[in-house]
Amino acid sequence: KNEVEQSPQNLTAQEGEFITINCSYSVGISALHWLQQHPGGGIVSLFMLSSGKKKHGRLIATINIQEKHSSLHITASHPRDSAVYICAVMNYGGSQGNLIFGKGTKLSVKP
Amino acid sequence: DTEVTQTPKHLVMGMTNKKSLKCEQHMGHRAMYWYKQKAKKPPELMFVYSYEKLSINESVPSRFSPECPNSSLLNLHLHALQPEDSALYLCASSPSPGNMGKLFFGSGTQLSVL
Repeated sequence: KNEVEQSPQNLTAQEGEFITINCSYSVGISALHWLQQHPGGGIVSLFMLSSGKKKHGRLIATINIQEKHSSLHITASHPRDSAVYICAVMNYGGSQGNLIFGKGTKLSVKP
Repeated sequence: DTEVTQTPKHLVMGMTNKKSLKCEQHMGHRAMYWYKQKAKKPPELMFVYSYEKLSINESVPSRFSPECPNSSLLNLHLHALQPEDSALYLCASSPSPGNMGKLFFGSGTQLSVL
């Protein structure tokens, strides 16, 4: 079993829909990152969470440390949100820079 | 300037070539990272530089040789690579190794080894 599990693996939505991507992890963590990767390209760090909730524009990320679960929400989705969204955790006591990555959720938003 | 700049964006090289990948940031970050990402897979950590010193080498073959000439620049020297080394190579930086709260990635170098 992977230490970081994301669901769904693939997600297709219509423009304007509310989207939720989930991440569950099985290790103790010091922080959790939500990352966005467009095709053929680099990665953008959207959020780093260690507790609670963060909001940036149409994106909201939440984390429940007790349940070892995090969600990324996108409100009023747009075709430009189409990308792979990756959950990555910093294992508590893990080596520096060695994030444990989920396999990603490929989101496609249709106009 | 909140960018990590990687050059080149694309690189094709033969197995006998020597080439270098370059990564630059001017955010004053003191931790820099090299990751390797195969298609449809998550990134894998290769190296971590902390205050210009190599602090982590994740058992990377010696045909990959990192270098950190100064606090803004990180190179990855490539020599005698194999076709299976073809991948997207990502550079990242953070304020310090213990502080990955502000983690910035470059756009990557897509490497093809023929």
